[in-house]
Amino acid sequence: NAGVTQTPKFQVLKTGQSMTLQCAQDMNHNSMYWYRQDPGMGLRLIYYSASEGTTDKGEVPNGYNVSRLNKREFSLRLESAAPSQTSVYFCASSTGTGLEKLFFGSGTQLSVL
Amino acid sequence: AQKITQTQPGMFVQEKEAVTLDCTYDTSDPSYGLFWYKQPSSGEMIFLIYQGSYDQQNATEGRYSLNFQKARKSANLVISASQLGDSAMYFCAMREGGNAGNNRKLIWGLGTSLAVNP
Repeated sequence: NAGVTQTPKFQVLKTGQSMTLQCAQDMNHNSMYWYRQDPGMGLRLIYYSASEGTTDKGEVPNGYNVSRLNKREFSLRLESAAPSQTSVYFCASSTGTGLEKLFFGSGTQLSVL
Repeated sequence: AQKITQTQPGMFVQEKEAVTLDCTYDTSDPSYGLFWYKQPSSGEMIFLIYQGSYDQQNATEGRYSLNFQKARKSANLVISASQLGDSAMYFCAMREGGNAGNNRKLIWGLGTSLAVNP
């Protein structure tokens, strides 16, 4: 009963390093999302994928890229990490069929030094 | 303009009492959904309750109920018989049903921190 699994849970990077956050869901959901959460700013959408094969920018896409590898997996890549990308990152998924709720992963705490 | 407003940054409630967390929203779309999520200190986001704009009844899920006042555009969360485990951040969110470009996006409030005192 895994739901949405994202890895890693914690990561420390140096400025300029790259990394990929992995996300997989086992609920056969069509839509997947990446959010970042910062104190006092709530959750902000980075990128989303309405269905397999499509990706779209959210509110704060700069500095990130995504790949919808297949229906299950949606990865987020930081090509050249910056201290401003220090945040908690959440992957989420939903059925994509209407006004449906999101199911969230447990989050990744990323620090960029 | 803020589409979801949670005016209470922090709230305190005594154990076993009821508490209401406020949420107002702004949309011109007749079809929308309103969600409440809980985020305990462990960090995960937990879905609590959903209200559709066309739902005639207020949503209830166990100790959670949603006081939906459509004319006032408010969707307040009511937690009855508070428990220590209810201490967490609570987020209100909205998804608009129309406008295909936007209906994949959940719009979030900034959250209310609830502390339940023993």
